[in-house]
Amino acid sequence: RKEVEQDPGPFNVPEGATVAFNCTYSNSASQSFFWYRQDCRKEPKLLMSVYSSGNEDGRFTAQLNRASQYISLLIRDSKLSDSATYLCVAYTGNQFYFGTGTSLTVIP
Amino acid sequence: GAGVSQSPRYKVAKRGQDVALRCDPISGHVSLFWYQQALGQGPEFLTYFQNEAQLDKSGLPSDRFFAERPEGSVSTLKIQRTQQEDSAVYLCASNHLAGPEQFFGPGTRLTVL
Repeated sequence: RKEVEQDPGPFNVPEGATVAFNCTYSNSASQSFFWYRQDCRKEPKLLMSVYSSGNEDGRFTAQLNRASQYISLLIRDSKLSDSATYLCVAYTGNQFYFGTGTSLTVIP
Repeated sequence: GAGVSQSPRYKVAKRGQDVALRCDPISGHVSLFWYQQALGQGPEFLTYFQNEAQLDKSGLPSDRFFAERPEGSVSTLKIQRTQQEDSAVYLCASNHLAGPEQFFGPGTRLTVL
C-alpha cells in the first residue's frame, strides 16, 4: 500500500467552479502535510502547508483530519491558470511521501 | 539565480551506459533529496543527505544507483549500467533544517534506449 493515495482524476471543470481534491495517508506517525502544484514538464512547487485547524490562502483551503488520516484541498472560483497536477505530500521521519497527483484542467 | 539547479536537463543513454546527474542545492540548505518521477506518477524518494552524510538511501532501486555529496553542497546521482526502466525524470530538492518546505530543481529527464 502506498504511503499517500490520491484520486488521479482527471478533473475537468469550468472556470469559476469549486473543486475539491482528497488524499489519504497510511502512516499515523506522519508529522506534516503539504499540497504541491506541478505544471506539465516542470518541477513541483509548494502550494500550501496543511494544518490540523485548517488553513486558507486566497481561493485555496486545506484541511487535515488526523483521525481519518485524510487531507483535502478546496479551490474556489477556478481560474484557467489553476490547471496543473496537485500533489499531496506527507512528511514522515526524514522522508517526504508524494501521492501520484491529481490532474486538474479548468475549461474556459 | 538562487534556486536549485540540475544538469544536464536532458540525457539520452544507451542501455548499459553509466550516467552521472548533478544537483546544486540552494546555498546554505543542509538537506538534499533525490527523487525519481516516472510519467504519470508522483516523485518517489531515492535518498537523503544532511550535509555530506547520506542518512537514508532506502529508496535507491538497486545497487546500480549511487549518490554522493562529498562536501555537503553539490550532489551527484550516478546510475551504472542503465536499463530502460531507469528512464524517468530525476528531481533534486533541498530544504533548510529550519523549515519543511522543499525547493525542487528543474529535473534531469533521462531516456535509456
